[in-house]
Parts: sequence; C-alpha cells; structure tokens
Amino acid sequence: NAGVTQTPKFQVLKTGQSMTLQCAQDMNHNSMYWYRQDPGMGLRLIYYSASEGTTDKGEVPNGYNVSRLNKREFSLRLESAAPSQTSVYFCASSLVAGASQETQYFGPGTRLLVL
Amino acid sequence: GESVGLHLPTLSVQEGDNSIINCAYSNSASDYFIWYKQESGKGPQFIIDIRSNMDKRQGQRVTVLLNKTVKHLSLQIAATQPGDSAVYFCAVHENSGYALNFGKGTSLLVTP
Repeated sequence: NAGVTQTPKFQVLKTGQSMTLQCAQDMNHNSMYWYRQDPGMGLRLIYYSASEGTTDKGEVPNGYNVSRLNKREFSLRLESAAPSQTSVYFCASSLVAGASQETQYFGPGTRLLVL
Repeated sequence: GESVGLHLPTLSVQEGDNSIINCAYSNSASDYFIWYKQESGKGPQFIIDIRSNMDKRQGQRVTVLLNKTVKHLSLQIAATQPGDSAVYFCAVHENSGYALNFGKGTSLLVTP
C-alpha cells in the first residue's frame, strides 16, 4: 500500500514550456486534491476532484488545468509555465470530500523550478 | 475565507521537554481540525485530528486541545524527541466546502 504517489520528484522548466504532474492513490479514495506550497506559506488549494468525473477550482487555479483520469489518478497540467509557478506541488486524497472529519493524505511532492 | 495562523513561527525545545504549538482560526463554523507534521523534503504527514464536538483528544505522545470559545487549538508533544523536529501545520475545515485551510506552519527544533 503506497498511499499517494507523485511523479516526477523534481523538474526544471523554461518559461513557456508545458508539463504534467502525475498523482495516483491506492487507498480507494473518492476525492483528490492539488496544492502548492511556497516558502513561508501554508498549502494553497489549486484544484480538487470531489469524485471521479468532477473537478473544481480551488484558491489559486490560474495557469493550471487538471484531469481526473480515473478513480486512482489525478493529473495537474501547466500549459505555459511561468516563474511564478516555481513551487512544491502536493497531491492529496481523502475518502470523501466535503464531509467533516475527512482527513487528507499527502504525497511526497514535486519540486518545480521554472526559469 | 478562513484565516488560520500560528502564534510562533519557530519553537526550540530541549529533548525530553514538552512542546506546545498553537493555532488560531477565525471562522466559528469550522468543524474539523487536523495537525500535520512536515519533515524537510517530504509531504505533510497526518498526526492527529479533532472534531468540533470535542475539546481534547490524545494520541501517542500527542494531545490536541480545542477551545472553540476563543477559536484556538494547540498541539502538545510529550517528551519531545529529535525525530519530532519538523514543521507543524494546523489545517481547518469549515462545515461547508471541500478545502482545508492551512496555517503557515511552526518550525519545531529539538536540541539534545
């Protein structure tokens, strides 16, 4: 049981390049999330998927798109990377979204540097 | 949106002492609270949670206290060990919506 896995671990992009961050969970969770973490700040929600087939914007969605490929996988895409998107990206999952007492479990993160 | 803050950005304690990390929130509709530990280069790791209908919950060496009157929660770590050195985040869930609101984190440094 690996929990939440993310690939790649590290990535360097040039401004304008595109890339997709991959996330998968093996806990049979219904809900998945993408956060970014910047120095000195808490995690901020980019997008989430309450259930397979649905996605919704979080606090900071601009410049990103997501795909809930199936129940296990939730990808984050940067179509045209900008230096402001340099950050650490975390994927998380929970059994049910929107319900109280639903702990979110996090992956190890993807460290992205945009030059 | 939710305002979540921590009282101290850094906390240094000696090995064996007890540690207390504090967190304030502003929305009285918050109904679920989680403490996460984040070690350098890793993702946040669940430590303990508490529901709004409780005021105290204990785990192994950790206790979370919730004071809804003043909108404050704390994480107490007993007999702090070097392995406890990390950044600790509180996360707060409102009773509507899907997101957790995270504090900025408190860095705990345990010295021998």
